[in-house]
Amino acid sequence: ELKVEQNPLFLSMQEGKNYTIYCNYSTTSDRLYWYRQDPGKSLESLFVLLSNGAVKQEGRLMASLDTKARLSTLHITAAVHDLSATYFCAVDGRGQFYFGTGTSLTVIP
Amino acid sequence: NAGVMQNPRHLVRRRGQEARLRCSPMKGHSHVYWYRQLPEEGLKFMVYLQKENIIDESGMPKERFSAEFPKEGPSILRIQQVVRGDSAAYFCASSRQGALYEQYFGPGTRLTVT
Repeated sequence: ELKVEQNPLFLSMQEGKNYTIYCNYSTTSDRLYWYRQDPGKSLESLFVLLSNGAVKQEGRLMASLDTKARLSTLHITAAVHDLSATYFCAVDGRGQFYFGTGTSLTVIP
Repeated sequence: NAGVMQNPRHLVRRRGQEARLRCSPMKGHSHVYWYRQLPEEGLKFMVYLQKENIIDESGMPKERFSAEFPKEGPSILRIQQVVRGDSAAYFCASSRQGALYEQYFGPGTRLTVT
């Protein structure tokens, strides 16, 4: 079974700081997705990374994919309170998505 | 274009009752996936369906759980004789053609078993 690990599991950061969330997965896959989930809500798609070396940016978030290292990163720049949420990475394993455990991010003033 | 729709949004059942969760995919999508999320955990795959076909049910518990996606109407996830451990959020996702396409998630059904 494909395993997806995220770290850290919990992240508390001050506004204005930078940080990176890591997502490692166990077998070959060329497609990786990042989602955001607010408490009690569904998943909101953030990024779709479809090839090795893919980098995508939206606002203060930037995601990258290294398929050879089986690693994706989600970098947060100059965090603001609105980014507080749980972030999941998911790897496409032939039809089903395998989700990481999630990173619960809290941005404090 | 309406997104993925799920109903009910909240469902309370007593132990031993049946729970039926419905999912209508996005327009133009013919593939449906069901996931379960326990509190403080990530989503776990349950089943992947196409119209009238189960493609992959490797994540479904062997007993009490079943899923269908009929030619007409929504996909249904059915849980018979619910137990407290079935309390979770159940999310449905849909995609255009399956493995190569992005999945879009519905709002989820939060099942509480009392």
